[in-house]
Amino acid sequence: EPEVTQTPSHQVTQMGQEVILRCVPISNHLYFYWYRQILGQKVEFLVSFYNNEISEKSEIFDDQFSVERPDGSNFTLKIRSTKLEDSAMYFCASTEEAGGPYEQYFGPGTRLTVT
Amino acid sequence: SQQGEEDPQALSIQEGENATMNCSYKTSINNLQWYRQNSGRGLVHLILIRSNEREKHSGRLRVTLDTSKKSSSLLITASRAADTASYFCARLQNTDKLIFGTGTRLQVFP
Repeated sequence: EPEVTQTPSHQVTQMGQEVILRCVPISNHLYFYWYRQILGQKVEFLVSFYNNEISEKSEIFDDQFSVERPDGSNFTLKIRSTKLEDSAMYFCASTEEAGGPYEQYFGPGTRLTVT
Repeated sequence: SQQGEEDPQALSIQEGENATMNCSYKTSINNLQWYRQNSGRGLVHLILIRSNEREKHSGRLRVTLDTSKKSSSLLITASRAADTASYFCARLQNTDKLIFGTGTRLQVFP
């Protein structure tokens, strides 16, 4: 069964450093998402991406964040200058169609620890 | 707040018992989805119920949706220790983003 993959599984970085989290969505999917989950809290939407541009972003997704689909398979989330409060689990998701009865398939997540 | 609320926050039961988790929300929805998350792991999609559906089954899972009350419930029948996890409802609003609830931590004792 096809699945969303994410790398790395765990990333430790120092405050102020840039990180890039990588995701490979399911190959025939067209809509891509990033969510995050701070430890012990609920999952929060960050950004959706379609047709090589951002469809929607939350207020969490400020200028320090960016997303890119550099080739036909990868989907990346970059945090330019990490803060302690960016420590969280980051989930990538993809779906074949937006809205309607379409399941969003989630990757296993990248645990980001900012020290 | 647009966030969903789930209750109970935590639920402990014995194997073989049924577990019921509830989810409430405040805005209209296109569909509502239930996800499972094992501790520190990814999200696994369990079941999706559309706004025009009232009940849906998948194996030992039964989901109901009451749009007039803006609530949904997930029932796991004949629970197993392996069902121990956190369960989240997530609703799709007019856009394509999922709004997750606060989750219920289910502990099933053997």
